[in-house]
Amino acid sequence: AQRVTQPEKLLSVFKGAPVELKCNYSYSGSPELFWYVQYSRQRLQLLLRHISRESIKGFTADLNKGETSFHLKKPFAQEEDSAMYYCALSGGSNYKLTFGKGTLLTVNP
Amino acid sequence: DSGVTQTPKHLITATGQRVTLRCSPRSGDLSVYWYQQSLDQGLQFLIQYYNGEERAKGNILERFSAQQFPDLHSELNLSSLELGDSALYFCASSFGTGFGNTIYFGEGSWLTVV
Repeated sequence: AQRVTQPEKLLSVFKGAPVELKCNYSYSGSPELFWYVQYSRQRLQLLLRHISRESIKGFTADLNKGETSFHLKKPFAQEEDSAMYYCALSGGSNYKLTFGKGTLLTVNP
Repeated sequence: DSGVTQTPKHLITATGQRVTLRCSPRSGDLSVYWYQQSLDQGLQFLIQYYNGEERAKGNILERFSAQQFPDLHSELNLSSLELGDSALYFCASSFGTGFGNTIYFGEGSWLTVV
C-alpha cells in the first residue's frame, strides 16, 4: 500500500527564515516523489519531482530512501511562499498519485 | 494555465440530485484522473482512465461513475447527492502512465450540495 505522511498541518515562519516541510512515505517498491503547491484553493501546481533534482522558486527536496523521506526545504522563506503544500507519491503500473494531508505554510512579514 | 479544462467551475445543487462534471485533458494527454478534495479527507483519488479504459479505482462511491470518451475528454457523474459530497473535484491528466510522467491538474469544480 502507498502512504504519504505530512506530520505538520500548519507551519508558520517569518520572512527570511529557513523552512522545512516534512514528508515521509511508505511504499514497497521504487516510488516517484513529488511536491505540489496550492494557492488559495486553486489548482495544484507541480513544484518539484525527485527525479529531476531541480530547484524551483528556491525550494529543493532530496529523496532519502533510508529514512523514506522527501522533505521540502527553502533557505529563506518569502511571503509569497504562503500556500498549501502537498507531498505525493506515485508507484506501480497505473501511476496514480497518493497525496499526504498537506501542510499549510504561512510566512509572516 | 495547465491546459486541463474543467467545467463547471462552481455548482450548487440540492440533495438527491445528479450532476455531471466535465474535463478536457491537455492536448496529447491520454490519461485522466479524478480527485476529490474536502476539508476532512484531504485529496482523495477517485478514478483513472487511460485512452478510454478504466485503469485504476480509488475511493469512489458507488453513486459516482466516470467515463472517458473517444475524444479523450472525461465526465464524472455524481448521483443521489448528499451534503457530504460537497467538495472541490479536480481532474488531472498526463501523457502516459509510467515513471517520469507529469500529472497536470485543472482548476477544479466546486460542488456545493444544499
